[in-house]
Amino acid sequence: DAGITQSPRHKVTETGTPVTLRCHQTENHRYMYWYRQDPGHGLRLIHYSYGVKDTDKGEVSDGYSVSRSKTEDFLLTLESATSSQTSVYFCAISVMGYEQYFGPGTRLTVT
Amino acid sequence: QQQVKQSPQSLIVQKGGISIINCAYENTAFDYFPWYQQFPGKGPALLIAIRPDVSEKKEGRFTISFNKSAKQFSLHIMDSQPGDSATYFCAARDSGGSNYKLTFGKGTLLTVNP
Repeated sequence: DAGITQSPRHKVTETGTPVTLRCHQTENHRYMYWYRQDPGHGLRLIHYSYGVKDTDKGEVSDGYSVSRSKTEDFLLTLESATSSQTSVYFCAISVMGYEQYFGPGTRLTVT
Repeated sequence: QQQVKQSPQSLIVQKGGISIINCAYENTAFDYFPWYQQFPGKGPALLIAIRPDVSEKKEGRFTISFNKSAKQFSLHIMDSQPGDSATYFCAARDSGGSNYKLTFGKGTLLTVNP
């Protein structure tokens, strides 16, 4: 599992509330990614990080922000959750720029 | 714009048969092509990967065939087993820049009947 943990694993929240998901790695990999997975869409990149305080947008970044203040932690924040953000969220790390390894995922439901 | 097109969406194979999943791409800057296997409730797991300087890579019952001129690559699962039942994703890495982003296909749900 490349030492990746995600928390929480499940969350139910109400529309309009802020939500923060955490990804934690134990192996000091430089590159970290947040994806969302939805039926019929596969995995879509939300944001990624290429170092502490270095982040950039992916293809579906609207409504999301990220922060990385330490190498081991990459946070994904939904500033004001909407029902369209109900999804399964995966964090991944990149080893040597090629292989990406994924965490176990967070299932988020916005009611 | 879907940069990696994966087919079929779903596939049913009998035990012992060959499962074949295809992917096609347009971006010639792609330089690394992994396949992921995902079981329900789990994260995607790297299965096998290939770089465009070879046409085939085999690991056990799993083989990637790569056709650079056609911009296509495929996953073959030989002697398919019920335990192979999962969703499979192809992906491609863009060599442009240094952010190592992957673009994924939409996935293929494989069911292997006993």
